[in-house]
Amino acid sequence: EADIYQTPRYLVIGTGKKITLECSQTMGHDKMYWYQQDPGMELHLIHYSYGVNSTEKGDLSSESTVSRIRTEHFPLTLESARPSHTSQYLCASSGNKGAGVYEQYFGPGTRLTVT
Amino acid sequence: GDSVTQMEGPVTLSEEAFLTINCTYTATGYPSLFWYVQYPGEGLQLLLKATKADDKGSNKGFEATYRKETTSFHLEKGSVQVSDSAVYFCALRAGGTSYGKLTFGQGTILTVHP
Repeated sequence: EADIYQTPRYLVIGTGKKITLECSQTMGHDKMYWYQQDPGMELHLIHYSYGVNSTEKGDLSSESTVSRIRTEHFPLTLESARPSHTSQYLCASSGNKGAGVYEQYFGPGTRLTVT
Repeated sequence: GDSVTQMEGPVTLSEEAFLTINCTYTATGYPSLFWYVQYPGEGLQLLLKATKADDKGSNKGFEATYRKETTSFHLEKGSVQVSDSAVYFCALRAGGTSYGKLTFGQGTILTVHP
């Protein structure tokens, strides 16, 4: 069973507030990812990291930022939340396993609503 | 670039019906293929995978075969249950240096009625 955690699970916040979504994994995985999931269910990669002190932008442009100071921790920050940031945010991690098949393990998600 | 196309949903079935969700892909090289499932209010869970042509992944009664000649990885189940109601995502991981990134299809919503 995957051990990847996200907090909070639900967050309702006003416009202009700074927020940090937490993601932690206990599997020692080197790679971590953030996805934004729109109401139509489609997943968009917004950030990823392949190790400590490495972060990269994903396929979908995002105003959020991430950091990777520790292997197990990959927080996502929005400096000034806007209603357009309302979405489901999913964190995932992966590591080398078997014949190089990088299975991704997902956290339960944070549902963010900006009013 | 790499892409995954799933059949459009939503799909609505009666319990014990046969399920097929089509998935086709475009990728260079030899990708690995996955099916993930997302139950309401949860994150994604890996359902099954296949790493090379003609591999069959299977789990919980679901099956999918990696068909390189048709670039497909269709998901099937012989007899669905109400508890199978969820969103299903087909995904691929390209070969080479991709940092383990996955390319997902748009998801297919499955609803099973008693």
